[in-house]
Amino acid sequence: DAGITQSPRHKVTETGTPVTLRCHQTENHRYMYWYRQDPGHGLRLIHYSYGVKDTDKGEVSDGYSVSRSKTEDFLLTLESATSSQTSVYFCAISDLGGPQHFGDGTRLSIL
Amino acid sequence: GQQLNQSPQSMFIQEGEDVSMNCTSSSIFNTWLWYKQDPGEGPVLLIALYKAGELTSNGRLTAQFGITRKDSFLNISASIPSDVGIYFCAGPRAGGTSYGKLTFGQGTILTVHP
Repeated sequence: DAGITQSPRHKVTETGTPVTLRCHQTENHRYMYWYRQDPGHGLRLIHYSYGVKDTDKGEVSDGYSVSRSKTEDFLLTLESATSSQTSVYFCAISDLGGPQHFGDGTRLSIL
Repeated sequence: GQQLNQSPQSMFIQEGEDVSMNCTSSSIFNTWLWYKQDPGEGPVLLIALYKAGELTSNGRLTAQFGITRKDSFLNISASIPSDVGIYFCAGPRAGGTSYGKLTFGQGTILTVHP
C-alpha cells in the first residue's frame, strides 16, 4: 500500500462532534490528498497538500479543514460532523511527476 | 468542469472471457491512469499513460491513451475470478500533471463468474 497508513480505519460518531482522521506516509512524498468516496459519485477530492503547511481546496472542501505540520502526516478534520459527511475517506500520496497511490481508507459513520 | 464518463457501468462475464472498458471526456487529458479497487481497500494503480497513442501492458491488462487525448481504453484478457472489483479511470485536471488534482470516472464494476 505504498507506505500509507490511515487511522482510524473505522469510526462511528454523533452529529455535531469534531472528528480528525490521520494519514501517515513513510515514502517522503511531497504531495498528499484527501478524497471521499460515495456511491454514485466516485472519488472526489476534498483537500490536498503540496508541501509542509501548504494546502489547497478540492472540489468538496466545505465542512472540512486540513493540516500538514510534517511531511509524513496529513490530518483531515470535520469541525462539526454532519450526517452528509458519512463516507469512506481515502488518503493518497504522490511525488513529483508520479501518479497517486492510495491508503486503505477510513469508514466514517455519523449518526 | 472536466468530467470523465466510464462505460459500461457494470459487467458480468464468464471466467476466461476478455473485457473491454473505456473512459471518455469532453476535455483533453495529458495523463490517463487506471486503478482497480477491491472491496474494503483503496484503489491500486494498474497502468499509467502519458502520451497520446501510447499502448501499455501490465500482464493481462492493456491500456491505450486515445489519439484525440479525450479517451482511454482498458482491456483485460482471459479474465479470472480475482479480476473482480471496480475499475476507475482518472486524469489530472486542465493544466495539471499526475501529481495534481485528479478527476475520477464513476467506475466500472466487474463481476466474473467461475
